[in-house]
Formats: sequence, C-alpha cells, structure tokens
Amino acid sequence: TQLLEQSPQFLSIQEGENLTVYCNSSSVFSSLQWYRQEPGEGPVLLVTVVTGGEVKKLKRLTFQFGDARKDSSLHITAAQPGDTGLYLCAGDEGGGATNKLIFGTGTLLAVQP
Amino acid sequence: DSGVTQTPKHLITATGQRVTLRCSPRSGDLSVYWYQQSLDQGLQFLIQYYNGEERAKGNILERFSAQQFPDLHSELNLSSLELGDSALYFCASSVVGGTGNTIYFGEGSWLTVV
Repeated sequence: TQLLEQSPQFLSIQEGENLTVYCNSSSVFSSLQWYRQEPGEGPVLLVTVVTGGEVKKLKRLTFQFGDARKDSSLHITAAQPGDTGLYLCAGDEGGGATNKLIFGTGTLLAVQP
Repeated sequence: DSGVTQTPKHLITATGQRVTLRCSPRSGDLSVYWYQQSLDQGLQFLIQYYNGEERAKGNILERFSAQQFPDLHSELNLSSLELGDSALYFCASSVVGGTGNTIYFGEGSWLTVV
C-alpha cells in the first residue's frame, strides 16, 4: 500500500503569516489532489495536479507537484482564520477506469485572528 | 452542500450488532465511493461502485459489504461490529468512475460502537 506522509501534522499560526504544507511519498502517482476538510463536513477538493513540476494557484494558495510526481506542497500566503481546517493530500492510485485515492496523514491548520 | 446525502448522520450501537449506512449520490453521478476516517488510520478508501458494479476495492473488511442499487443509491453494511469500527464513514460520488474525476464527499455518518 502506498503511503502519503504530510508535514507538519499540526500548525497554529497568526493571521497574516505564510505557511507551507508538504506531502511526500516513495511512490509515483498519476495525479495528486489537495482537499480541505472542516469540522462536521466531508473533504472538499481544492486542486488537482497532474504534470511533474506543475504549479497551480488558487487565490492565496499555491500548489506544486514534484518533478518526479512523488511529492507535493501547498503554500498559503497571508493566512486568514477562514483557512483553518484539515488539509489532506491524496494520490490517485487507480488509473484507467478506477479512481482510488490514497489520502495523506493530514495537516491540521489553525489560524488565529 | 456537495449534493451527496448520507443517512444516518450519527449512530450509536453495541458490539456484535449490524448497521446499514445509506448514501444518495449527486444527481447524474454514476460512481459511488465509501471511505472510512478514524484518528489512527486517517481517511481510507473502502470500495468503489460504478453504475451498480463493483469497480475497485480497498481496505474493506470481510465483515463489511456494500452495494449500489439500480437507482444509484448505495448502502454500506457493517456487521459483527467491534469497538475499532467506530469511525466517520464517508460516501462520495463522481460523474464517471475513471481516474482524475472530481469526487464529491457527503457529510459523513458518525458510527460509535460501544
């Protein structure tokens, strides 16, 4: 079973600070997704990266897929309390006709006002 | 609101019992997924169905079974429940079942086994 390790596990920062979350694996994935999960809700997709070296931006969030498609990072600029939540990376293990996501260990982010 | 509906939202049951979790996918979605989220194991893929047929299997115990009905809703049956089965069970759906498709998660069913 492929594993996705995220770091850090917990992060508590002040509003306005920048942060980076890392997602690492020893295996190659066909694509990698980032989700945010808030209490009492299911994960919500933020972005999908497919190509090695790909960089995608979503407002203050920047996502990067490693050149070898084994790792990814999420950078948040000027964090806001609304960014608080559990961030999960997920690698697509399926390929073809299946869509089998392997989720990372998660990073719990708390942004204090 | 993702459009994926799960019932019940909360369930407390005793060890050895059997429960059924129900999921209605988003309108038009043909593929349904079940995931289990616990503190020690994180979010784990259990099983995927596409248009009534099993498409992929993950870490699903033999005591657990699922099916997708002709109207595309799905049920996850958990039997001979153990304390360790206490977790948040998510259903998710996507339009089709292939790789790269966006998956939409429901709000989950909290199962507590006592």
